[in-house]
Amino acid sequence: DAGVIQSPRHEVTEMGQEVTLRCKPISGHNSLFWYRQTMMRGLELLIYFNNNVPIDDSGMPEDRFSAKMPNASFSTLKIQPSEPRDSAVYFCASSSPSTNTEAFFGQGTRLTVV
Amino acid sequence: AQSVTQPDIHITVSEGASLELRCNYSYGATPYLFWYVQSPGQGLQLLLKYFSGDTLVQGIKGFEAEFKRSQSSFNLRKPSVHWSDAAEYFCAVADSSYKLIFGSGTRLLVRP
Repeated sequence: DAGVIQSPRHEVTEMGQEVTLRCKPISGHNSLFWYRQTMMRGLELLIYFNNNVPIDDSGMPEDRFSAKMPNASFSTLKIQPSEPRDSAVYFCASSSPSTNTEAFFGQGTRLTVV
Repeated sequence: AQSVTQPDIHITVSEGASLELRCNYSYGATPYLFWYVQSPGQGLQLLLKYFSGDTLVQGIKGFEAEFKRSQSSFNLRKPSVHWSDAAEYFCAVADSSYKLIFGSGTRLLVRP
C-alpha cells in the first residue's frame, strides 16, 4: 500500500483565495483525521471522520474551514477565503480498528498564504 | 479533558549516550498512549504504543517506553542514540474514539 497520500505537497496562495487540500487514506481504513501543525500551536486535530461521517469538528478554527469525505477513499479540507495565519502544515491520517488505533500519517501539505 | 505535556522543548545528547524523553498525560480512564517521531519535512511515524498489559513496551528503532500510572507518565527511552535519531518526538494520548491529542514535541539533537 502506498500509505496515506496527500496533495499537493506544497501550496502557495494569495490571501483571499480558496485552497483545497486533498487526502487519500489507506484502503480499508475507516477513520480519517485532519491535523494542522504550526510552531505556535503544535499539532492540532481539526476534524475526525468515521465511516465517512464527521464525528468531531470541534477543532475546526472558523467557518472559513470545511472538510468533506464523499467516499471512503477521498477527503478534502477547504479554506475559503484563506488568510496568512492559515499558513501551516496540514496532515491527514487514517486508521482502523484492525490497526489497533495506530494512525498512519501522510507527508503533509505545506500551505503558505501570502 | 485529555492533555499531554512534554516538558523538554529541546534535548541534546552525544551519539552513543542514553536517552530519556519525558511525557506526562492527563486522562480520566486508562489511556491509549503513543510515541511518534517526525523527521524534517516528513509526516509522523509511530514508534510504539501502549494499550494495556505489560507496562514496558518495545518499539521500532530500539526505542522503549514505560507506562507508570501512579506518575501519569509514559517516558521514551533508548540505551544508545544514533545520529539518525535526531528528529522531533511527539507523545500522544487517545481515547476510545481514537482521536490523538499530541504533546508539544521534543526536538532531539545528537552531538557527534
